[in-house]
Amino acid sequence: DSGVTQTPKHLITATGQRVTLRCSPRSGDLSVYWYQQSLDQGLQFLIQYYNGEERAKGNILERFSAQQFPDLHSELNLSSLELGDSALYFCASSPRTRNTEAFFGQGTRLTVV
Amino acid sequence: AQTVTQSQPEMSVQEAETVTLSCTYDTSESDYYLFWYKQPPSRQMILVIRQEAYKQQNATENRFSVNFQKAAKSFSLKISDSQLGDAAMYFCAYRSPLDVGNMLTFGGGTRLMVKP
Repeated sequence: DSGVTQTPKHLITATGQRVTLRCSPRSGDLSVYWYQQSLDQGLQFLIQYYNGEERAKGNILERFSAQQFPDLHSELNLSSLELGDSALYFCASSPRTRNTEAFFGQGTRLTVV
Repeated sequence: AQTVTQSQPEMSVQEAETVTLSCTYDTSESDYYLFWYKQPPSRQMILVIRQEAYKQQNATENRFSVNFQKAAKSFSLKISDSQLGDAAMYFCAYRSPLDVGNMLTFGGGTRLMVKP
């Protein structure tokens, strides 16, 4: 168990809908990263937050947004969902931005039908 | 931008044998971190081993070791005495030490099958 908790584990929704994925980082970790794993794109970085502030953006669509709350948990919001958004979404955390290790949650499997 | 390439989509190894997974990367930075992650069918991303670029000594974790060739920008993973539980996807990853933008950049992965 990495200590990073993601909910829900599985999510099935229809095209055009909006969903929220939740991540609780390891206790004390200030930095949260979101990654998307899809069959055609592999593992891609989406966005990083550090202590409530956005630090870096990767290949995140405009339909997607995220935030990190004062208690350090993070949410990834996906809207106007398309079939191609079906993927495994991972959250990872690390104590500081310069820390070498990132610990991953078990992921949320999103299926858009 | 950094890129990571794993040229072997699939590998297989006999139980108790040794297998080496290849990884190359491209970067203009002199200081960075490299990782191998394992993703079993449970989907969990598990850190197998890490290497700091400034260290010349190759990292070792039990049956797992790396061959880090900085000049060649190569970072291969050797698994000795392969076990059935080693069957998984393996991802090579690069991480910059910078304060901003130090996300992991992953290779495409290698699926390792272990034959009993």
